[in-house]
Amino acid sequence: SQQGEEDPQALSIQEGENATMNCSYKTSINNLQWYRQNSGRGLVHLILIRSNEREKHSGRLRVTLDTSKKSSSLLITASRAADTASYFCATVAAASSARQLTFGSGTQLTVLP
Amino acid sequence: GAGVSQTPSNKVTEKGKYVELRCDPISGHTALYWYRQSLGQGPEFLIYFQGTGAADDSGLPNDRFFAVRPEGSVSTLKIQRTERGDSAMYLCASRAQGASIYEQYFGPGTRLTVT
Repeated sequence: SQQGEEDPQALSIQEGENATMNCSYKTSINNLQWYRQNSGRGLVHLILIRSNEREKHSGRLRVTLDTSKKSSSLLITASRAADTASYFCATVAAASSARQLTFGSGTQLTVLP
Repeated sequence: GAGVSQTPSNKVTEKGKYVELRCDPISGHTALYWYRQSLGQGPEFLIYFQGTGAADDSGLPNDRFFAVRPEGSVSTLKIQRTERGDSAMYLCASRAQGASIYEQYFGPGTRLTVT
């Protein structure tokens, strides 16, 4: 089963509203990364949060991490139509020697103009 | 410089046929990853190369899947006796030596359809 699970699976909002997406994971991690994927394209990394951080900002993006609940959230403020994309969290299990990212199932965000 | 490129962008093949998918990583990137992404799902790891060797191929689903990177640059993912369940987007990513595992740069993918 996948390490990360996002909710909601799909989110539709009006331009200017805020969008919040959540991600849960199962094992201890060192870092968590959020990615964006435009329809049918590759992924672009957005923001990385380390396990000793609780919150991180980058422009209109705000990421939180709660390691006790094994969850993270991505907030996009003042959304724009161009933010329409799928958003994924990804982790690497801290205790393993695996050199692979495990992605969640993603949230499809639609921002209506 | 150029990003990761993948060819073809789309591939339609008949069940039972053999296909090759190509990935050109960012020049100088030593690490290369292949992922498979089904519709509505996140990417799933297939194989990771460090240089010419496969450092981790634990994600390959079965022995019909094979990947090579003979000169430590371009990689080819090979699928034998394709099945309809192999239909997916195949993504390639590369990473510079010493960079975090999270600093992978993804290509646009190859959409494989097996009819």
